[in-house]
Amino acid sequence: AQTVTQSQPEMSVQEAETVTLSCTYDTSESNYYLFWYKQPPSRQMILVIRQEAYKQQNATENRFSVNFQKAAKSFSLKISDSQLGDTAMYFCAFTPSGAGSYQLTFGKGTKLSVIP
Amino acid sequence: NAGVTQTPKFRILKIGQSMTLQCTQDMNHNYMYWYRQDPGMGLKLIYYSVGAGITDKGEVPNGYNVSRSTTEDFPLRLELAAPSQTSVYFCASSYAHVTTDQPQHFGDGTRLSIL
Repeated sequence: AQTVTQSQPEMSVQEAETVTLSCTYDTSESNYYLFWYKQPPSRQMILVIRQEAYKQQNATENRFSVNFQKAAKSFSLKISDSQLGDTAMYFCAFTPSGAGSYQLTFGKGTKLSVIP
Repeated sequence: NAGVTQTPKFRILKIGQSMTLQCTQDMNHNYMYWYRQDPGMGLKLIYYSVGAGITDKGEVPNGYNVSRSTTEDFPLRLELAAPSQTSVYFCASSYAHVTTDQPQHFGDGTRLSIL
């Protein structure tokens, strides 16, 4: 069974600064996918970034980037130039690869507040 | 551009009552999912469907049933509501498997309280 751990229940950052959210996971799978989802107060879940475990290069999406350390089973999210609209819950999620895997395993989330 | 639509947004049920949470998507997605989110927790998969007529259990299926008679609709039924089913329920859909670069599109959620 897979587990995903987010050790920071809440974080805050000043507008325009950089913040890093932590995520660790445990799995015996050799190939898998990792995701960061954003859930603003509207409750809508929005995909922020996706990483394939067999790719060594860290994924980036505009102001969002990850630090993927496969050996350490760590997958942190860095948000640069933080904006007020980044205020939300952030969830790290895992799924093994393979045609039969449909289940995303989510961490408990980190509540991020961006302060003006 | 509706995306994934869930109804109702809020509902209060008495223990033992039954109800159906509705979910419809207009993106012609084959894959659809039902999740529940308990306070302070991440989402857990209840059921999923890979196409009309095909459904399968997720991590927490007990107490729920689903059907998928059309591509667009994926209703979730609670037969005998229990307090442990108090949660926020999310429906999602995707064009392809979760491991592809096609994201899951989520509805706005249904907040359900069982008293």
